[in-house]
Amino acid sequence: AQSVTQLDSQVPVFEEAPVELRCNYSSSVSVYLFWYVQYPNQGLQLLLKYLSGSTLVESINGFEAEFNKSQTSFHLRKPSVHISDTAEYFCAVSPNTDKLIFGTGTRLQVFP
Amino acid sequence: GAVVSQHPSRVICKSGTSVKIECRSLDFQATTMFWYRQFPKKSLMLMATSNEGSKATYEQGVEKDKFLINHASLTLSTLTVTSAHPEDSSFYICSASEFLDTQYFGPGTRLTVL
Repeated sequence: AQSVTQLDSQVPVFEEAPVELRCNYSSSVSVYLFWYVQYPNQGLQLLLKYLSGSTLVESINGFEAEFNKSQTSFHLRKPSVHISDTAEYFCAVSPNTDKLIFGTGTRLQVFP
Repeated sequence: GAVVSQHPSRVICKSGTSVKIECRSLDFQATTMFWYRQFPKKSLMLMATSNEGSKATYEQGVEKDKFLINHASLTLSTLTVTSAHPEDSSFYICSASEFLDTQYFGPGTRLTVL
């Protein structure tokens, strides 16, 4: 079975500061890894994903995540956040592409 | 691209009635659709997986007779909550996948059962 742990339920940060949202997973098989973002009153949107190849993946809005197999982690980072990045962020794993197992989410709150 | 819609966005119903929620993939053919339930400040819980033209596969603990799922076409899946009770009040989210490597999510439906 697979599981995902997002240790930080809330991360407050000031605008233009760097941020890291942590995600660790547990799996006995290879997995695909995802970060989804949920803005207030909206559905989940795919932020970035790791399927294979380069372990560093980037999104179009400046986020990046690095797959670390030895540490079973897929932390999400951004060097400089904006107010508009305020949202709930979900890490997810997929063992065989037919289902997603989500973490409990991290609320990123960006303050001016 | 990869847009998924849900209808209705909000629904309020009386206890004992049934409610149908639609999930549509607007610009791609979804071979697989998924239904999730999201509790306040909690993660998404997968309820069932449906493939077009087949019976849905329900996760352990999900009552298939209560949550009826139909995936009649490659662009439409429906979730019917039968004989709804207040404990069924929740945020229901569907997702759709064309090639199974990525799921695209709908905006969700807020169900309130009085």
